[in-house]
Amino acid sequence: DGGITQSPKYLFRKEGQNVTLSCEQNLNHDAMYWYRQDPGQGLRLIYYSQIVNDFQKGDIAEGYSVSREKKESFPLTVTSAQKNPTAFYLCASSTQRGTANTDTQYFGPGTRLTVL
Amino acid sequence: GDSVTQMEGPVTLSEEAFLTINCTYTATGYPSLFWYVQYPGEGLQLLLKATKADDKGSNKGFEATYRKETTSFHLEKGSVQVSDSAVYFCALSGFNTNAGKSTFGDGTTLTVKP
Repeated sequence: DGGITQSPKYLFRKEGQNVTLSCEQNLNHDAMYWYRQDPGQGLRLIYYSQIVNDFQKGDIAEGYSVSREKKESFPLTVTSAQKNPTAFYLCASSTQRGTANTDTQYFGPGTRLTVL
Repeated sequence: GDSVTQMEGPVTLSEEAFLTINCTYTATGYPSLFWYVQYPGEGLQLLLKATKADDKGSNKGFEATYRKETTSFHLEKGSVQVSDSAVYFCALSGFNTNAGKSTFGDGTTLTVKP
């Protein structure tokens, strides 16, 4: 079955540590996204990538970093510079490239990060 | 920039009641409009979408019509079930150089009681 997987489901981090969240898709999608979800709020875009080896900052990129070395993978690193990292993180992908805007985003199950 | 405003929740209904969740948007050009649903502890999944004015998206008894004149995409269902309890997000994807980015509303939590 095609889909998006995220791991781990739950992650605990001590203050001052970097952590990396995994996101893998086998949908052959070009575009991938990372969102942050806080209670009672909508999704906020952290980073997105429309093609391998290229990515752009979203609305709240400070304190985060990404890489896109393979089409299937888009890992997110939460660095110690992120002041309030406790949140639910969602990865998504879509076939969108160029100026097309009609395609659905497919989401993974999410990773809940807690800073101790 | 693009924005989406959703009806504030939470919304609590009895089973078989009529549901409306309001959604209005601001965007340049001709965005595509989406409703996503999120069940507890899970990611979002597409419920329905519309890609041009006057299109009606529908799925699992839910409907929404793309109204360009009122910049709205309200979600409706004639008879809700307990299993419809979830968070509903309205979203748009703009037709611009940053295509592929979606803008989401804050979500509306729906609870359906037996």
